[in-house]
Amino acid sequence: AQRVTQPEKLLSVFKGAPVELKCNYSYSGSPELFWYVQYSRQRLQLLLRHISRESIKGFTADLNKGETSFHLKKPFAQEEDSAMYYCALKADSGGSNYKLTFGKGTLLTVNP
Amino acid sequence: DVKVTQSSRYLVKRTGEKVFLECVQDMDHENMFWYRQDPGLGLRLIYFSYDVKMKEKGDIPEGYSVSREKKERFSLILESASTNQTSMYLCASSLSGRRGTSNTGELFFGEGSRLTVL
Repeated sequence: AQRVTQPEKLLSVFKGAPVELKCNYSYSGSPELFWYVQYSRQRLQLLLRHISRESIKGFTADLNKGETSFHLKKPFAQEEDSAMYYCALKADSGGSNYKLTFGKGTLLTVNP
Repeated sequence: DVKVTQSSRYLVKRTGEKVFLECVQDMDHENMFWYRQDPGLGLRLIYFSYDVKMKEKGDIPEGYSVSREKKERFSLILESASTNQTSMYLCASSLSGRRGTSNTGELFFGEGSRLTVL
């Protein structure tokens, strides 16, 4: 069975400081990982996915298969980054079907 | 833009009542999902559906059922609501890989339905 672990429920940093949100996974297949974000009073939305190897809003995440990790990083946090962040693992359910398993989330607060 | 609409933003029900949560998506997505979101527990998958009239249990299906009579609509049913089902319920939809397009794995979420069971 697949599992996603986000060890920090809460993370507080000051504006301009680096931020790293941790995510570890357990999955026997080939993993595809995602970060989703939920800003206050907004719907949950995709932030980035590992296969795209993209930087979104200054955030990056690298899949480390050796450490089974997919940590989200940003060198200089901004107040508007304050949100709930969820790491998610895509698991195949047979054929072309799939489902996403989410971690418990990390609430990031960026203080002025 | 993909639009996933959940019919009720806030509901208050009594223990034992039957509750229907409706979700509609307008992008012809094959896959639809129901999650519940609880502080400290994250998102937990209740049920999902890959096609009309198809359904599969997620991680916490007990006390819930679903209905997918039309492709665009996925309903979550609480046959007899209990206080431990007080939660935020999120509906999501996504493309299937069966179309031959790149299976991005991206889920599009509704705004959520906050259910309180008294």
